[in-house]
Parts: sequence; structure tokens; C-alpha cells
Amino acid sequence: QLQLQESGPGLVKPSETLSLTCTVSGASISSSSYYWGWIRQPPGKGLEWIGNIYYSGSTNYSPSLKSRVTISADTSKNQVSLILSSVTAADTAVYYCARRSMGSSRREWGQGTLVIVSS
Amino acid sequence: QSALTQPASVSGSPGQSITISCTGTSSDVGGYDYVSWFQQHPDKAPKLMIYDVSNRPSGVSNRFSGSKSGNTASLTISGLQAEDEADYYCNSYTTSSTWVFGGGTKLTVL
Repeated sequence: QLQLQESGPGLVKPSETLSLTCTVSGASISSSSYYWGWIRQPPGKGLEWIGNIYYSGSTNYSPSLKSRVTISADTSKNQVSLILSSVTAADTAVYYCARRSMGSSRREWGQGTLVIVSS
Repeated sequence: QSALTQPASVSGSPGQSITISCTGTSSDVGGYDYVSWFQQHPDKAPKLMIYDVSNRPSGVSNRFSGSKSGNTASLTISGLQAEDEADYYCNSYTTSSTWVFGGGTKLTVL
């Protein structure tokens, strides 16, 4: 059974870098059948797609975040990581890790982790 | 890319049917059959209800159905139940190889 577990600091200072890890169990991130990505949700607001990575290493990012985002994969640990630089209070959100099936909009989600940007 | 357009709120009585619309453009909703719908209860992770416009995952009630016409996708819930009260989001693939969400719709069961 697929499990996606997000982890990382719950508090980040403005202008610093946010780093999160998604540990995947029940599936291999090296599979050609899936994309692995991140989605966020500011408190009381809607969902925002951040980006994803394919097993080949190719990535796609939201145009509004592209200049600050990096998504990477560590196949030895079966983990997917998110790095968001130069954060501001507007980056305060619950960050979700998600798996999407290749050739489909079918998406499965982790439980999410809250990151607060504050000094 | 702009968010897909959903009504901020809809409501219905138990047993009734409601439909939530999700309007995009020919560059997203209208261009691909990669539209999904998610249900989110307070302080919970989103749950997949419909994928690829009209497909229902195993375990999701057949009271939930999806469709698309032109640049607008729709989620219909029939036989409304109290447990259906939640936020609903649509999501679509785009020509830029990215994904975009709708702003969300709050469903109230009266």
C-alpha cells in the first residue's frame, strides 16, 4: 500500500530556504509509471501545484514558482525532495507530496506538513 | 497560468443532486481529458473522487460522477448526504506541461 510521508522543519525564517522530504513506501520512485510531485495549500486557501519529477529526472514547475523551486529524487532512499528558496510569509502553507499515474490525472496524496515562514 | 474557475459555494438538501462547474480554456480543460476532482474535509488531505474527466477510483461512491463539455468540466453528486459536505477542487493538465487547480467550491448540505 502506497504511503507518502512528508517531513522537514515546521518553521522557516523569511529569506531563507525551505527544504522538505517525501519518503515513499509501497512503491518505487524509479518506476516509469508515475510522476512524483508537490502541491501546497496556504491556510484557509486553495490548492496550488508546485511541480513534479519523473523517474528520468525530468522536471516541470509552476511558472509562478519556477525561479525559486527545485524538485529532486534520491532513488537510494526512495525519497523526493522540495527546495524553495527566498521564502516569504506567502509561502506559509501545508505542503503535500503526491504521486500521479503516467498518462492520467489520477493522483494520490500524503497527509501534508505545515510550514510556517516567520522570524 | 490562471486558476480554473469554480463557484465559491453550492448547497443542496439531503437526497438532492448538485453540480459543480470548473471552467478553463482550450489550453487546459478543453484541450485534454486530464481533469480530476478532489474532496477535502477540514484539516484533511484531499481525496481523489474523479480522474480523467469521468473515471471513479475504487471505493468512491457511484453517487459521484464527472463530465466535460468544451472548456468546462463538471462534478455531479447525486443523493446528497451529510458526509458530502466538504470543499471540492478540480485540477487540469495544461499545454505548458503543468497542472492548474480550481479555486475550490464549498459544498453545504442543508
